[in-house]
This record gives sequence, C-alpha cells and structure tokens, in this order.
Amino acid sequence: GDSVTQMEGPVTLSEEAFLTINCTYTATGYPSLFWYVQYPGEGLQLLLKATKADDKGSNKGFEATYRKETTSFHLEKGSVQVSDSAVYFCALSDRRGFQKLVFGTGTRLLVSP
Amino acid sequence: NAGVTQTPKFQVLKTGQSMTLQCAQDMNHNSMYWYRQDPGMGLRLIYYSASEGTTDKGEVPNGYNVSRLNKREFSLRLESAAPSQTSVYFCASSDVDRSYGYTFGSGTRLTVV
Repeated sequence: GDSVTQMEGPVTLSEEAFLTINCTYTATGYPSLFWYVQYPGEGLQLLLKATKADDKGSNKGFEATYRKETTSFHLEKGSVQVSDSAVYFCALSDRRGFQKLVFGTGTRLLVSP
Repeated sequence: NAGVTQTPKFQVLKTGQSMTLQCAQDMNHNSMYWYRQDPGMGLRLIYYSASEGTTDKGEVPNGYNVSRLNKREFSLRLESAAPSQTSVYFCASSDVDRSYGYTFGSGTRLTVV
C-alpha cells in the first residue's frame, strides 16, 4: 500500500539555520503531496502542498518540490525561527479511489535562540 | 472561527467504560475522518465518512464505532474502553477535491486507566 517515510527526529537547530526534513513516498499512482505542521497542544495545519511532478509548494518561508524521479518531497527553510518549533508531517493523497491521506510518523523540530 | 470543533478536549476513563467523542465542522465539507495519534506512529485512520450517510473502516477500526449524524457532525464511540485506546484523537474534514488537504480539529486527549 501507499506509505510515507520521514527522517526521525528530533531535529535540533539554532535560530537562522537552514532546515531540511526529508520525506520519501511509495505510491502506485500519482499522489498529491502535503506537509502539515502541529504546534504544541494543537491540531495539524496544512503548511503547503503540491499536486503534480516538479510543482513547488511554498508557505511562510517553507518550500518543498515534488520530485517524481526520486519519489521525494523534502521540506526546506532558509532561516528557521524559534516559532518554527513544532512537529512536521509529510503526507500523500493518492488520486485513485477515495484519496485518503496517508501520513508519515512526523519529525519534531526544536529551534533554540 | 470556521473550522472543526471537537469535544471534549480531555477525558479520563476507566477500563470498560464507554464514551462518545463529538466532532462538528461548519465548512460544508462532504468528508470527515477520525484519526488517532500515538508517539512514533504518526496519525492512523480509524474511520472515515466519504459523504453524509456513509461510513467506512480505516486502518485501525477495532474497538470503535462511528455515526455520521448529518453533514456537519461525525462522532466516534468507544463501547468498552481499553488502556490501548489511550491516545490523542483528531477529527478532520475535507471538501470533494481532497487535493486541497484536510482541516483538523484541536484534538481530544483520552487516557484509559
């Protein structure tokens, strides 16, 4: 079945450092890809998405490019802030059938001043 | 604010007790979902409702039942709670075009002792 693999955390960075969180997927179709963010004590919020190969999703300084050849959707940010500390989930939605979201296990990001 | 509302936010149950988690959305979304979140396992789909009047099992449905009461409301029932059901439960909803992603509630933290 479809699956998403994320790098294990926590990822610990200093403020203004460059962030990469790796995400790869397995799907038999051509899925839509998403990054969600969960701040402490809250539900998940959609951060960005891409619906086809080579699309770049971006929001709040975060970016991710849909790479079909490497089945990847890595999350990047050029300069992280303390307020970016959260858990980040990569997810896919296969366009076949009902298109349920399948999530990775999440990566915790800790940013220190 | 528009969105997904879950009640209660916290609950402690004794083994064998029953309870219903409530979820309501005001975005006129067709589809609704229940997930559980456990450390190291990401989010796992319990049940979903593609549209009013339909429900289907997800990845981990055992020990749960659901009711799609109307288009707005989707409840999750634990008939006889077990310690293995200690988790954080999230309700979500989505529009017909699921490539736009899901909207999540803020979660219910359930402890079964």
